[in-house]
Amino acid sequence: GAGVSQSPSNKVTEKGKDVELRCDPISGHTALYWYRQSLGQGLEFLIYFQGNSAPDKSGLPSDRFSAERTGGSVSTLTIQRTQQEDSAVYLCASSLEGVGAKNIQYFGAGTRLSVL
Amino acid sequence: GDSVTQMEGPVTLSEEAFLTINCTYTATGYPSLFWYVQYPGEGLQLLLKATKADDKGSNKGFEATYRKETTSFHLEKGSVQVSDSAVYFCALSDQGAQKLVFGQGTRLTINP
Repeated sequence: GAGVSQSPSNKVTEKGKDVELRCDPISGHTALYWYRQSLGQGLEFLIYFQGNSAPDKSGLPSDRFSAERTGGSVSTLTIQRTQQEDSAVYLCASSLEGVGAKNIQYFGAGTRLSVL
Repeated sequence: GDSVTQMEGPVTLSEEAFLTINCTYTATGYPSLFWYVQYPGEGLQLLLKATKADDKGSNKGFEATYRKETTSFHLEKGSVQVSDSAVYFCALSDQGAQKLVFGQGTRLTINP
């Protein structure tokens, strides 16, 4: 079956512009996660959605970052007024459930964001 | 807070060598432990996992045992292949906290 799909695969933008990154999780997965992979910080958690519960936004680095998940499926991560330090690979993952034995996270290939 | 520490890389080995990548963790609860692998140009893939003390995860010839007494989850393989060249990440997921906490990753290169 189809895995986690992310688009675009690469995004180049100018400092100060807004960007939107999209994630399409595995069908039937109720939990969705965003992570960031950068040279200086490694792999960092950003935000987590589980069903209709309020998202866990504890990993978002600033208020320029936001995410939504519409209809319990597709998610969009938005970065406003991008800065050069936002350059990274943004990874999306989904799992069948958020906790317990079914919390095995499956990752997409990522979106490589470059802020010039 | 929770954290994962991996042995620093890069690691370069010859084909058929024995591999160990060390991983230790700090967690307040009883975490599940994972090894993920990232092959060149691909996304992260789950390699193996263990959910409680003394569990052994295994896959593709790789093994790791959950050692609570030493808070470790070292990755081992008896005979590596060129196709094992990748970046390996140790990670934990604590009870009640759904996010994964990753180590810094270890780049492994296997030479023929």
